[in-house]
Amino acid sequence: AQKVTQAQTEISVVEKEDVTLDCVYETRDTTYYLFWYKQPPSGELVFLIRRNSFDEQNEISGRYSWNFQKSTSSFNFTITASQVVDSAVYFCALSEDSNYQLIWGAGTKLIIKP
Amino acid sequence: GAGVSQSPRYKVAKRGQDVALRCDPISGHVSLFWYQQALGQGPEFLTYFQNEAQLDKSGLPSDRFFAERPEGSVSTLKIQRTQQEDSAVYLCASSWPEGVNTGELFFGEGSRLTVL
Repeated sequence: AQKVTQAQTEISVVEKEDVTLDCVYETRDTTYYLFWYKQPPSGELVFLIRRNSFDEQNEISGRYSWNFQKSTSSFNFTITASQVVDSAVYFCALSEDSNYQLIWGAGTKLIIKP
Repeated sequence: GAGVSQSPRYKVAKRGQDVALRCDPISGHVSLFWYQQALGQGPEFLTYFQNEAQLDKSGLPSDRFFAERPEGSVSTLKIQRTQQEDSAVYLCASSWPEGVNTGELFFGEGSRLTVL
């Protein structure tokens, strides 16, 4: 069965600190996709990244970086030099090959204090 | 419009009342999804449309839930005889056909339903 676990319910850091959001997944498929979405207070989910199971290369986009490790079934998300505008709930999600349904974690609420 | 639009943003219903939630997807997006998000949880899939065809309704929790997209654009999620456990945020998302496989969905701000 597929499952996504985000063990950190809430994280609070001071602005400019680095912060890592953890995501652990379970799937029996060899082909699958992992995602991160951001949900600001306004409510709409914003797509951040998609990674397929055959691409373990880490990705960096500005202050954001993602570390995908199949050996530990993890897809962690790091924000470098955090800013107040990064405050939001962040969701990790999984979909299996040819399955459009996303399986979501419970989310991590990130609070960046000025 | 520029993004996915949902209405109403907030709805308070008395138990047993019927409600209808509307979603206006991004123009040209053929794929449309409804998700239910309980407080403090991640979204859960309800149903999926490709144009006007409802291809998957496996996530609808009961036969009180019904969704339609008659002209392949606007969609309505209807909940009959609402119960307290129906209280949640109902999210609509749309995408281009390739977005179905890439997972790049464009979400609305949701409709928050509170059943008293």
